[in-house]
Amino acid sequence: GNSVTQMEGPVTLSEEAFLTINCTYTATGYPSLFWYVQYPGEGLQLLLKATKADDKGSNKGFEATYRKETTSFHLEKGSVQVSDSAVYFCALSESGGGADGLTFGKGTHLIIQP
Amino acid sequence: DAGVTQSPTHLIKTRGQHVTLRCSPISGHKSVSWYQQVLGQGPQFIFQYYEKEERGRGNFPDRFSARQFPNYSSELNVNALLLGDSALYLCASSLPTYEQYFGPGTRLTVT
Repeated sequence: GNSVTQMEGPVTLSEEAFLTINCTYTATGYPSLFWYVQYPGEGLQLLLKATKADDKGSNKGFEATYRKETTSFHLEKGSVQVSDSAVYFCALSESGGGADGLTFGKGTHLIIQP
Repeated sequence: DAGVTQSPTHLIKTRGQHVTLRCSPISGHKSVSWYQQVLGQGPQFIFQYYEKEERGRGNFPDRFSARQFPNYSSELNVNALLLGDSALYLCASSLPTYEQYFGPGTRLTVT
């Protein structure tokens, strides 16, 4: 079956540091890949997505590139802010977010210190 | 535009009871999915409905059921509650084959 593995947290960084959160996946087909962010007490917000190999998703300074050869979708940001503190989830869907539902990783708690 | 809305926000139930959770999708979205998020874990897929038909089901027991109404809103029902059903239940809506947008969730506590 499908699965997503993320680096375990918490990840603690200082403001303006470079961020990488690793994500690798296992899928039987050619999935779409997503990063969602969850702020305390809230639901999940879509951060970025990529639907095919070598696609780069980007939003709010965050980027992730779909690497089929390494089955990875690592999240990066060049300079993090305190407001980026949240839990980040990597996810995949075989049908672009459709009938099979999303398969999520366990989440990575990011803490940014001023 | 209003996002996905869920009700209630919180509720507390006793083991063995039944619970109904409700979800209203974003206007124009005909697909609704339900997820269970246990504390400290990623969400787990329970169901997806499209045009009132079940299109997908995750690995959950038959105590979990759902339905979708003509206005595309949805209910998730859980019978014979167990302590392990305590979780945040998330609803997401989408256009067919497009990304899902999540509501704030319903926090269920089973005592």
